Amino acid sequence: KAGVTQTPRYLIKTRGQQVTLSCSPISGHRSVSWYQQTPGQGLQFLFEYFSETQRNKGNFPGRFSGRQFSNSRSEMNVSTLELGDSALYLCASMETGGHDEQYFGPGTRLTVT
Amino acid sequence: GQNIDQPTEMTATEGAIVQINCTYQTSGFNGLFWYQQHAGEAPTFLSYNVLDGLEEKGRFSSFLSRSKGYSYLLLKELQMKDSASYLCAVRGNTNAGKSTFGDGTTLTVKP
Repeated sequence: KAGVTQTPRYLIKTRGQQVTLSCSPISGHRSVSWYQQTPGQGLQFLFEYFSETQRNKGNFPGRFSGRQFSNSRSEMNVSTLELGDSALYLCASMETGGHDEQYFGPGTRLTVT
Repeated sequence: GQNIDQPTEMTATEGAIVQINCTYQTSGFNGLFWYQQHAGEAPTFLSYNVLDGLEEKGRFSSFLSRSKGYSYLLLKELQMKDSASYLCAVRGNTNAGKSTFGDGTTLTVKP
């Protein structure tokens, strides 16, 4: 099976712009979670989508949003970018939940200048 | 809320054994995961504990005590390639896809 894929792998944006990141989960996985990783804050949970519905949400401002399509692919959008949004954005997929293992994608490195 | 603590850095010698501790305080508990993350790469799954006790998987073992809110990852026969960050993560009761991660322990293996 192919692993979790994320596009693009690297991105440079300017403050105030918006960005959309994409994640394709492992085939058959219905849950996609998004995390932000920074040196100072570690891995922080953004949100999880399951069967096209947001199932869980972290403590990030409304500028961070996401969605999931019927094929389980997910997108994450950040509007009005701030310098502090520079981070590695990781998505993780799993089959359904409970005790399932999450598999991480390689991440998108976002730099905001 | 959930709070997870693990040491920031550890150093060990090739061939030795190292134990990385993790303590947690959670409002719910549905499992504790350990991940390995090499610099510039994504985290990869190492182990999962939901019941008390030791889970062994090759050179890696993980232990859980739910009553103490405590886990450890044991790495045996250390190799240079084990130099990485080790992340402890707790999954809450109802939040299946939401894991709360510790800040990670950077392990350096020296020859």
